[in-house]
Amino acid sequence: DVKVTQSSRYLVKRTGEKVFLECVQDMDHENMFWYRQDPGLGLRLIYFSYDVKMKEKGDIPEGYSVSREKKERFSLILESASTNQTSMYLCASSEGQSFFLNSPLHFGNGTRLTVT
Amino acid sequence: RKEVEQDPGPFNVPEGATVAFNCTYSNSASQSFFWYRQDCRKEPKLLMSVYSSGNEDGRFTAQLNRASQYISLLIRDSKLSDSATYLCVVNGMYSGGGADGLTFGKGTHLIIQP
Repeated sequence: DVKVTQSSRYLVKRTGEKVFLECVQDMDHENMFWYRQDPGLGLRLIYFSYDVKMKEKGDIPEGYSVSREKKERFSLILESASTNQTSMYLCASSEGQSFFLNSPLHFGNGTRLTVT
Repeated sequence: RKEVEQDPGPFNVPEGATVAFNCTYSNSASQSFFWYRQDCRKEPKLLMSVYSSGNEDGRFTAQLNRASQYISLLIRDSKLSDSATYLCVVNGMYSGGGADGLTFGKGTHLIIQP
């Protein structure tokens, strides 16, 4: 079974702090994703990566950056956390080529971030 | 903007009944389709892929209608444990201009009542 592991289940940070959310997958998947999920808004894609050192903006990249230095690890960075970034953050991975995202996503169990 | 639409529900269904819901998509170039299940405060988990010929997995049947651009999920003999939110996901061709190829519906909330 694919395992996607997110480093923290719950996180509380203060406004202005720099926040790192880490995600590791163990199935040698090419594609990795960061989503946030908010009530009434569904899942929204922040960034994704289809290869090491490659990244693509999703629907809501503002206020976030990402890093993919190794194939198995994809980090989401909040440069200066704000209260509107309080959310559930979900990492996912999938196999396959970058052109055709035809493989299903496998999700980590999420990080619930609260920014006070 | 390519979209995926679902009836948010909730669908309140008695145990043992059959329930079906649809998901419409606007991108006619979409290549693949999936149903995910999400329990409260948990991550989405793949329920099944949706193939052109339709597919069945136990009590669950998924179908694709390309002409009308929707996918459907049918649950027979519903169980209390089927209560969850069901998300459809439509993957299109990644155009390089953004993440247009990955679109989640907002989910249909299903409640199975004893």
